[in-house]
Amino acid sequence: DQQVKQNSPSLSVQEGRISILNCDYTNSMFDYFLWYKKYPAEGPTFLISISSIKDKNEDGRFTVFLNKSAKHLSLHIVPSQPGDSAVYFCAASEGRGSTLGRLYFGRGTQLTVWP
Amino acid sequence: NAGVTQTPKFQVLKTGQSMTLQCAQDMNHNSMYWYRQDPGMGLRLIYYSASEGTTDKGEVPNGYNVSRLNKREFSLRLESAAPSQTSVYFCASVGAANTGELFFGEGSRLTVL
Repeated sequence: DQQVKQNSPSLSVQEGRISILNCDYTNSMFDYFLWYKKYPAEGPTFLISISSIKDKNEDGRFTVFLNKSAKHLSLHIVPSQPGDSAVYFCAASEGRGSTLGRLYFGRGTQLTVWP
Repeated sequence: NAGVTQTPKFQVLKTGQSMTLQCAQDMNHNSMYWYRQDPGMGLRLIYYSASEGTTDKGEVPNGYNVSRLNKREFSLRLESAAPSQTSVYFCASVGAANTGELFFGEGSRLTVL
């Protein structure tokens, strides 16, 4: 059973608008959350992360929001650019240390940003 | 700066054949991982090595073996390939600073006929 869920397989947004990608999780032991971006024929690349002690983390055009009570996080991209078109994976971990790499991934959301 | 390097990038096998996927990182990272990605399934952890000399099972270890040859290299072996192992395999590593950022290789696409 998937512990990290991305229920929207695809999202299409016009350039300049906001993209909002959503992610839900079921495991209450998760305390670290990450977003990865993946282009075709490449490996995933880290985008942004958030610890469970925070509810928001911002890095340039990317902001991640965490709602622990709802077990929900979202990634906001403002403004969206055509180069943002990629698959976005939500991932979660039970903590740092040697288990950090034991990430549980969602199935991904294909974001398409059109001009 | 190579980062994480995987070989081969593509491979076609027949059912029952064996092969080894190689992974090397030049970032002096302690921990290394093997994931597989299947269509619509996201990435799933096969095996990981928290440090040189240790290996542990992930979510989907059946049918695979691993070797942490040294700090740089972590190989994944399929002893008797099955069509269900057709997938894209990603190796990744993370350093001791625990920033949360896994560095992934470009992937190895394996097809088992």
